Amino acid sequence: AQSVSQHNHHVILSEAASLELGCNYSYGGTVNLFWYVQYPGQHLQLLLKYFSGDPLVKGIKGFEAEFIKSKFSFNLRKPSVQWSDTAEYFCAVGPHAGNMLTFGGGTRLMVKP
Amino acid sequence: ETGVTQSPTHLIKTRGQQVTLRCSSQSGHNTVSWYQQALGQGPQFIFQYYREEENGRGNFPPRFSGLQFPNYSSELNVNALELDDSALYLCASSLAERGRDTQYFGPGTRLTVL
Repeated sequence: AQSVSQHNHHVILSEAASLELGCNYSYGGTVNLFWYVQYPGQHLQLLLKYFSGDPLVKGIKGFEAEFIKSKFSFNLRKPSVQWSDTAEYFCAVGPHAGNMLTFGGGTRLMVKP
Repeated sequence: ETGVTQSPTHLIKTRGQQVTLRCSSQSGHNTVSWYQQALGQGPQFIFQYYREEENGRGNFPPRFSGLQFPNYSSELNVNALELDDSALYLCASSLAERGRDTQYFGPGTRLTVL
C-alpha cells in the first residue's frame, strides 16, 4: 500500500527565510508526484508536479521540488518566502498508470511579516 | 480557479440519514475522483469514476457510493451517516492521459453529522 509522510506538521518562518518541506513516500512502482497548497479559505491548488524526466521541477510562485528516487523523497523548496505563502502544503503520490492520489498529512506553514 | 464546482457548500445531517453531494468537472475532463478530508488531515481517496464506471476505490465501506453522468458530472452518496463521516468532501477532475493525469480540485462540501 502507498503511504506518504510529511515530517513537519507546523513550520514558522520569517519573511525572506528559505523553505524546505520534506516529503517521503512508500510505493513499489513508478510514481507521479505532486505538491498542492491550500491557502486559508481556499481550495486545494496545484503547485507543481513530476511525471518523468528532469528530477528538479519548477512550479508556480517560485516553488520548486526535487525528486530523489533513491531516497523516495520529493521535497518542496522556496529560496525566500513571503507572508502570502502562509498556507497548508500537501504532498501527494499517485501510481504512474493510475490517478488515485495518496496524500501526506500536510504541513501548516506560517510566515511572519 | 479550476472550474470544478461542488454543491452544496455546507450540509448538516443527523446520524443514520443519507446525503448526496454533487460535482461538476472542469470542461474537457472525463475523470472524477472523490476524497474525504477530516479535520487536520490530508485528503483520503474514496473512489474514482471514468466514463461512468467506477475505476478504483479506496478503503471506504459500500455505504459510500457514486455515479458519473454522461456530461462527466458526478455524485457521491453516503448512506447511514455516522458521526465520523463529518469531513470536507473534495471532488477532483482530470483528463485521463496515461501516465500524466493531473487532478484539479473543487472547493469541497463541508458535511457535519450530528
